[in-house]
Amino acid sequence: DAGITQSPRYKITETGRQVTLMCHQTWSHSYMFWYRQDLGHGLRLIYYSAAADITDKGEVPDGYVVSRSKTENFPLTLESATRSQTSVYFCASSESGSGANVLTFGAGSRLTVL
Amino acid sequence: AQSVAQPEDQVNVAEGNPLTVKCTYSVSGNPYLFWYVQYPNRGLQFLLKYITGDNLVKGSYGFEAEFNKSQTSFHLKKPSALVSDSALYFCAVRDIRNTDKLIFGTGTRLQVFP
Repeated sequence: DAGITQSPRYKITETGRQVTLMCHQTWSHSYMFWYRQDLGHGLRLIYYSAAADITDKGEVPDGYVVSRSKTENFPLTLESATRSQTSVYFCASSESGSGANVLTFGAGSRLTVL
Repeated sequence: AQSVAQPEDQVNVAEGNPLTVKCTYSVSGNPYLFWYVQYPNRGLQFLLKYITGDNLVKGSYGFEAEFNKSQTSFHLKKPSALVSDSALYFCAVRDIRNTDKLIFGTGTRLQVFP
């Protein structure tokens, strides 16, 4: 099915472990984004990518790593998870980054770090 | 600094009554403004956007928003609320410093009572 899918939808891990959240889109959109959603903060941009092999930091990139070897995939890795990274993570894509284009979001990945 | 503010954490309205969800912005230049909605356990969905032109923008599900440049506002409105409109609503503005990105507000929870 066409769309943007995230996996896993739910993940519980322990402090210090590495976690990778996957994001896959089927539209061949150029731009992809990772946001985290926290109460009182709304959505904050972690990283984004304008194309394969091009990534850039957002508002809260510390503790996260991204890669984009293929246009359709944009995994987010927490190299050593901390409790403060407990959050709901959303992947999004858009056809271009002009700011006028609509973002399409995945269903989210709820991560709990114990 | 660029920002978007949603002054109300929650808005309560009775079914059938008009609803307003407030948003104000602070950006230099011409703003690109957006509204997104998030239903429980789902990703955000696009509702409407203002880029240029008519100050009254119509969007999905009967929602509309009015761009007011003098008051730097972009309030979301609907003439007659439905229980199914109960959700979390986010206002967003294009980041002028990096037009690839959006700045989101903290969200307003709309509760429509039967």
